[in-house]
Parts: sequence; structure tokens; C-alpha cells
Amino acid sequence: DVKVTQSSRYLVKRTGEKVFLECVQDMDHENMFWYRQDPGLGLRLIYFSYDVKMKEKGDIPEGYSVSREKKERFSLILESASTNQTSMYLCASSLSRGGRRYEQYFGPGTRLTVT
Amino acid sequence: QQQVKQSPQSLIVQKGGISIINCAYENTAFDYFPWYQQFPGKGPALLIAIRPDVSEKKEGRFTISFNKSAKQFSLHIMDSQPGDSATYFCAASGYAGNTPLVFGKGTRLSVIA
Repeated sequence: DVKVTQSSRYLVKRTGEKVFLECVQDMDHENMFWYRQDPGLGLRLIYFSYDVKMKEKGDIPEGYSVSREKKERFSLILESASTNQTSMYLCASSLSRGGRRYEQYFGPGTRLTVT
Repeated sequence: QQQVKQSPQSLIVQKGGISIINCAYENTAFDYFPWYQQFPGKGPALLIAIRPDVSEKKEGRFTISFNKSAKQFSLHIMDSQPGDSATYFCAASGYAGNTPLVFGKGTRLSVIA
């Protein structure tokens, strides 16, 4: 059973703080993704990674960075948190074998509030 | 620039009725179209997916209808139940595993008894 875990379900941070959101998957997936989910805006891709130490910008990378030092772990970093980064953050992972599409599995999300 | 347009934003259906959610896409390179279901407090989970070589795919009470020429696809939930109340997202991408999904904005479905 695939499991994607996120370090916190709820997080409250102050403006200007550096924030780390951690995501771990236990199924040896090559691909990992970070999305933010906001009411009425759906899921928007922040960054994704196809392999260790590789990263690609998604649709809204501004104000964020990522780190993937190990295959199972993908971290999202808010360098200097701002109130407009208050959101639900979702991590996902998927296999990448033979060029075909595999199901994308999501974690439960981290609800971040920046005050 | 939104590449997948989803409607309606919210939907209320009577128990036993048919729920229909529609999506339209612009990028003709898309050839994989999944639907995700999300319950409150949970991450989205894959419900059903289709590729454009078929016009319809059915799994239980859930059916995807696909119209390649119109660049539209829809989710039909037959005999809708209160347990189907959730947010539904359509998505699209290329079939290659390393192309990210583009999601619609979501539809909040409420099935009332």
C-alpha cells in the first residue's frame, strides 16, 4: 500500500520565517510533486522532481524552493514566509518506468497559516 | 493561463440522481485524462482515467465520456450517494510519466438524501 506522508498536518508560522515542509514516500517512486490548493483555484504545481537532486519549476515557483537529497524525500522550502502563502500544501509521488503514466499518489496535506 | 476548465464549481444532486461534471482542455498534446476525488481532510485520490483512443470508460457507477474533436471530457456518477459527496478534480497531461498533471479548479459535489 503506497504511503505518502507529510511532516505536519497543521503549521502556523510568522511572516519572514523560513519554513520547511517535508514529504516522504515509501514506494521507491521516481517522481515527486508539490502543489498548493486554494479554494476556487484548484491544485497548482509549485515544483516537481524526476530524480534525486533534480528539480523543475511548476506554474507558481516564486517564493519557494525545493530539495531532494534522497529518493524518498522531497522538501518544500518557503525562504521568507508571507501571508499570501497561507494555503494547503499537497505532496504527491508517482512511478516513472518505461515512459508510461502511473497513478499519482497524494499525501494528506499540510495546512499552513502565515500570520 | 488555465489549460483545463472545469464546471460547475459546485453541484447539488439528489440521492439516486446523476451527477455530471464537465472539463475542457486546450492543449492537443494532452493524451491522459484522470479524475481525482478528494474528501475533506484527505489528499486527492485517483478515481478513474481515460486515454483518447476510447470515447468512454466505465468503472462501477463512475463513467468518463471523452470527445476528442471537442476537446472535452466529463465524469458521470450514476445513482449518486451521500458518500459520493466530495470535491472532484479533472486533470490532463501527456502520457509520458514525466509530464506533470494540469488540474481543473475542482467541483464540490453534495449528494442530499
